[in-house]
Amino acid sequence: DVKVTQSSRYLVKRTGEKVFLECVQDMDHENMFWYRQDPGLGLRLIYFSYDVKMKEKGDIPEGYSVSREKKERFSLILESASTNQTSMYLCASSWLLPEGDTQYFGPGTRLTVL
Amino acid sequence: AQKVTQAQTEISVVEKEDVTLDCVYETRDTTYYLFWYKQPPSGELVFLIRRNSFDEQNEISGRYSWNFQKSTSSFNFTITASQVVDSAVYFCALSDISGGSYIPTFGRGTSLIVHP
Repeated sequence: DVKVTQSSRYLVKRTGEKVFLECVQDMDHENMFWYRQDPGLGLRLIYFSYDVKMKEKGDIPEGYSVSREKKERFSLILESASTNQTSMYLCASSWLLPEGDTQYFGPGTRLTVL
Repeated sequence: AQKVTQAQTEISVVEKEDVTLDCVYETRDTTYYLFWYKQPPSGELVFLIRRNSFDEQNEISGRYSWNFQKSTSSFNFTITASQVVDSAVYFCALSDISGGSYIPTFGRGTSLIVHP
């Protein structure tokens, strides 16, 4: 079974703090994704990566950065957390196929910024 | 540009009722993929089905069935004899090659509440 793990289920941070959210997958997937989920807005793509050290902006990259130094690990960084970044953050991974493929999701990290 | 619309924000049913979740999509591509995911209260999205644009056969898996109609750009999901464990948010997603890569676009989700 594909396993995608996220470093924390719940996280509380203060405004201005630097926040790291870690995601690890064990299926050797090329693609990895970070989404945020807010009520009524569905899933919005922040960043994705199709290879080590490669990254592409999604729909809402402002205020976020990412790092992919190893194939299995994809980190989301909030350089200076703000209250409007309070949200549920979901990581996903998938194979890199020309026709696209099923995404496998982690359990999510519910981040609260005070 | 691709777009997925799930017009039903929330549906409430009583156990054993049948329920259909609607999904309408927009794409200019002839090759695309459609997905349904379930997000139970625990938060983790679980893959339910993937269907490519060339396969219009309906699919049934236990109490779940999917009706894909290209003529109306719809990919609806029906749960027969619903159960309390079906309570979740359900997301429909579309993946096509627009923009140069197959990055899925998700609908906003339909929250299904099944009462005992």
